[in-house]
Amino acid sequence: DGGITQSPKYLFRKEGQNVTLSCEQNLNHDAMYWYRQDPGQGLRLIYYSQIVNDFQKGDIAEGYSVSREKKESFPLTVTSAQKNPTAFYLCASSMMVAGVEEQYFGPGTRLTVT
Amino acid sequence: AQKITQTQPGMFVQEKEAVTLDCTYDTSDQSYGLFWYKQPSSGEMIFLIYQGSYDEQNATEGRYSLNFQKARKSANLVISASQLGDSAMYFCAGRMDSNYQLIWGAGTKLIIKP
Repeated sequence: DGGITQSPKYLFRKEGQNVTLSCEQNLNHDAMYWYRQDPGQGLRLIYYSQIVNDFQKGDIAEGYSVSREKKESFPLTVTSAQKNPTAFYLCASSMMVAGVEEQYFGPGTRLTVT
Repeated sequence: AQKITQTQPGMFVQEKEAVTLDCTYDTSDQSYGLFWYKQPSSGEMIFLIYQGSYDEQNATEGRYSLNFQKARKSANLVISASQLGDSAMYFCAGRMDSNYQLIWGAGTKLIIKP
């Protein structure tokens, strides 16, 4: 079955540690995205990548880094510079469907930093 | 700047009744698309329906339809014959046709009562 996988579903870290969240897709989509969701809020874009070896900052990129070495993979590193890293992180990929770019989402990773 | 507003933080609806979830958008861009997503308690975002700003007819997808009023800049989601499985968070998102970035509303929590 095609889809997007994010692992792990729950992640716990101590403050000051970097942590990498994985995102893998086997949908052959070119574009991939990372979002952050906080309670009671909509999604905010962290980074996106339209093609391998290229990515752009979203609205809240500070304290995060990404890489896109393979089409299937778009890992997100939450660095110690991120002031409030505890959040729900969603990865997405997209393709054009009938002229509309539709985003497909993974199940998310809930990160807790104490 | 773009902004998506969902004014209903939560709604209770009786099973089998229709429900309307409000969404207004604020952008000066003439070419704008509106999306609705459903987020169950599992966390995954599920695409429901899309409306392009140049589409003359309201979008429909099964029990979902969009009441699009361009002059009022509103794109309300209508769910007909609600079911218990419709209980979830619902997010409205918008995007300029020239841009990859989706801007998200804060969401509406819908609870269907048996």
